Amino acid sequence: DVKVTQSSRYLVKRTGEKVFLECVQDMDHENMFWYRQDPGLGLRLIYFSYDVKMKEKGDIPEGYSVSREKKERFSLILESASTNQTSMYLCASSLDTGSRAYQPQHFGDGTRLSIL
Amino acid sequence: QKEVEQNSGPLSVPEGAIASLNCTYSDRGSQSFFWYRQYSGKSPELIMFIYSNGDKEDGRFTAQLNKASQYVSLLIRDSQPSDSATYLCAVVNFNKFYFGSGTKLNVKP
Repeated sequence: DVKVTQSSRYLVKRTGEKVFLECVQDMDHENMFWYRQDPGLGLRLIYFSYDVKMKEKGDIPEGYSVSREKKERFSLILESASTNQTSMYLCASSLDTGSRAYQPQHFGDGTRLSIL
Repeated sequence: QKEVEQNSGPLSVPEGAIASLNCTYSDRGSQSFFWYRQYSGKSPELIMFIYSNGDKEDGRFTAQLNKASQYVSLLIRDSQPSDSATYLCAVVNFNKFYFGSGTKLNVKP
C-alpha cells in the first residue's frame, strides 16, 4: 500500500512565523502535490512537483513556497503565516506511468493548521 | 464554469438502498476518472477508478462512465451507515487533476 506521511496532524502557529509542513511518500512516486481544503471551497491546489527540484504553481500559490530536494519528500513553506492560512493541508502523491491512463493521487492524513 | 461539477447534497438514503452519486465534467478530452470517499475530518481515500466507457464493479461499488455525455457516476449498493461520507469525483486531463467539491451522503439506519 502507498504510504504518504505528513509530519504533523495538528499544528498551531502565530502570525508572521515561518511554517514548514513536511510530506514523505514511500512508493517512489514522481508526482507530489499540496492542497488546502476549506469548508465550502473543496480541494484547492497550492503547488505540485513532477520531479526532484521541479515545482509548478497551482491555483493558489500566493503566500506559499515549496521544496523538493529528494524524490520522496515535498515540503510546503508558509513564508509569513497569516490567519487566512488557517486550514487543513493535504499532501498527495501519484505514480507517473507515462501513459494516458493516469494513476490516482494518494493522500496523507492531513495537517490541521491554526494560525493565531 | 467549473471543470468538475457535483451536487453538494446532502443525499439521504435508507440503509440497504442504492445510493447514486453523479459528476459532470467540462473537458471532453479527459482521460482518467476517480472516486474518493472522505469522512469528516479525514483525508480523501480512493475507492474506484475508471478509464473506459461503461461500468466497472468492485464489491458494492459500481463506477459508470459516459464520455459522450461527459458524466461519471458512482453507485453504492446495499448502502450502510458506514458509507456516510463526502464523495469526491476527480477527473484527469494531461496529468492535471480536477476535483469536484463533493457530494455528502447520509445513510440512515
